[in-house]
Amino acid sequence: DAKTTQPPSMDCAEGRAANLPCNHSTISGNEYVYWYRQIHSQGPQYIIHGLKNNETNEMASLIITEDRKSSTLILPHATLRDTAVYYCIVRGTGANNLFFGTGTRLTVIP
Amino acid sequence: NAGVTQTPKFQVLKTGQSMTLQCAQDMNHNSMYWYRQDPGMGLRLIYYSASEGTTDKGEVPNGYNVSRLNKREFSLRLESAAPSQTSVYFCASSEVGGLAKNIQYFGAGTRLSVL
Repeated sequence: DAKTTQPPSMDCAEGRAANLPCNHSTISGNEYVYWYRQIHSQGPQYIIHGLKNNETNEMASLIITEDRKSSTLILPHATLRDTAVYYCIVRGTGANNLFFGTGTRLTVIP
Repeated sequence: NAGVTQTPKFQVLKTGQSMTLQCAQDMNHNSMYWYRQDPGMGLRLIYYSASEGTTDKGEVPNGYNVSRLNKREFSLRLESAAPSQTSVYFCASSEVGGLAKNIQYFGAGTRLSVL
């Protein structure tokens, strides 16, 4: 599985959009981009995933660049409850585990 | 619908003691996983079970054994606990492993200290 690079920490004002970047320059054609988050040492929670098209669900949007070497997770209106560590994971079909790096610690500020 | 349930939530062991961490899921998932998370780090896979009756090693299997008791339950055993096994242990399950939409659902974790 391709490795990912994320900034260690970010701040975002409450009510504003939080844009979390992820670089995965060695991603291969059949590898998906997944995002999970972990709130205060709870179990990780799935957010969204995609292959090459942009994706949106009730939690977030995922923007993947055309060359697929980077992506951005967007939380459109961040709340205090979105304070968490966000993990960007690249995984191919056939792989059974998720490789968690150290993620980005997002702090939403009142 | 409880999802993934782990017991116990907390445990303190002395070096050399043994214990079993229990995990059960009620989502009828085929695949189950055990991860450990050390302070300030991401999760690392210990063992997984792609389907009932099968188990495979992950990234850090040494010092652990697992049992896939049935489709619902996947236990992790420490035969002789060591201080290096002090960690938070997470169990997860997914519908079918190895597919694109392999969304894993996690339990709340077991916080283990080995003195």
